[in-house]
Formats: sequence, structure tokens, C-alpha cells
Amino acid sequence: DGGITQSPKYLFRKEGQNVTLSCEQNLNHDAMYWYRQDPGQGLRLIYYSQIVNDFQKGDIAEGYSVSREKKESFPLTVTSAQKNPTAFYLCASSMSGTGGELFFGEGSRLTVL
Amino acid sequence: AQKITQTQPGMFVQEKEAVTLDCTYDTSDPSYGLFWYKQPSSGEMIFLIYQGSYDQQNATEGRYSLNFQKARKSANLVISASQLGDSAMYFCAMRAFSGGYNKLIFGAGTRLAVHP
Repeated sequence: DGGITQSPKYLFRKEGQNVTLSCEQNLNHDAMYWYRQDPGQGLRLIYYSQIVNDFQKGDIAEGYSVSREKKESFPLTVTSAQKNPTAFYLCASSMSGTGGELFFGEGSRLTVL
Repeated sequence: AQKITQTQPGMFVQEKEAVTLDCTYDTSDPSYGLFWYKQPSSGEMIFLIYQGSYDQQNATEGRYSLNFQKARKSANLVISASQLGDSAMYFCAMRAFSGGYNKLIFGAGTRLAVHP
């Protein structure tokens, strides 16, 4: 079945370590997104990409990095520069960047020890 | 500024009754889209319903309907005949054009509890 796969579902990290969250989609969607969700809050956009080899910063990009080398994949790296990385991270995709609903993965919960 | 506001942090409803979740938005763009998503405790975001700014009729999807009042800039979600499985967080979102690209802006969400 088509969909978005995020891994790992749960991740623990020590302070000062970088960690990469995986996001893969087989929906043939052009646009992909990363959102962060903190407890009791809505989603905030970290990065988004409308086509391969192109991506833009969202509202809270500091301390994060992404790549978009393949249409299917949009990994997010949480770097040691991110001051408060403990959160729930959601990856999404849409057919294009100009319309249509977003399809979401099941999320990755990152905890910094 | 482009913004989504959900003023109800939490709502509860009796099973089989209808409930309205409020959403107001702010944008100066003439063309925009409004979405509602459901987030169960498992965390995934489930698309419920969509309303385009030029759509003349209110969107409906099964038990979900969107009460779109353009002049008031509101896009409330109505859930009819509530079920226990409707208990979840509900997010209103707006597709906005910003910085040369389209992106989805989310509200803070409303937690709905359905009581038997």
C-alpha cells in the first residue's frame, strides 16, 4: 500500500549528538515536509521541499538540516545546535506544493537524555 | 500575518450528539485552502475535510461538515452523531502562500472527548 514511512518511531539521544530521522514515501508526491509538535501544541514547519534537490526553511529551521536527493526520501537531521530537540516529529507529503491535502507519516518521538 | 486560531483547548460531547469545533483564520490572499485533521493518541494525522476559498458550497465528508463563513473568516468543523472513536485532537490548517511557496499553517488544536 502507498504511504509514508517514518523511522525510528522512538529515539533517545544524548546531548551533543546529531540524529537523523528517516522519511520515505511511495506516493509519487513531489512535495515533502517536516513538522515539529510539542505537547499540547500545533504543528510547526521545520523544512519543506517542492522538488528534488530543492528545499526551503520553514518557521523553525535553526538546528535542523535536510536533504532531498531522491523524490521518495526526505531525511531530517537534528543537530547538536538544536537547543530543545525533545519533540514529536511528523513527516508529510503532498502531490504538489501548490494544492491538495498533506499525507502524514506516523511520526518519530525524539527524547534527549 | 497569516494565522489560524482555535479558541477551544478542550471540548466534550455526549455520544450520538453533534459538536462544533471552532476555527478562525487570517490571510490577505484571495486564494487559500482550509483543512481539518484528526490526531488520535497514536500520533498520526488523519485528513478529514477540505474547503477551498472559492468553493460556493460547504464541504461535507460523511459525518464531517465544514461551516465556511468567508466574511467572518471562520471554518468550523461540525461532527454529527459523535462516536467514542472521535475522541482525539483536531487541528484546523490553512494553505498559505508565503516566501514564494505554499505551506500549511496549523492552529493549536482542540482536544475532543466523547462520553458514552
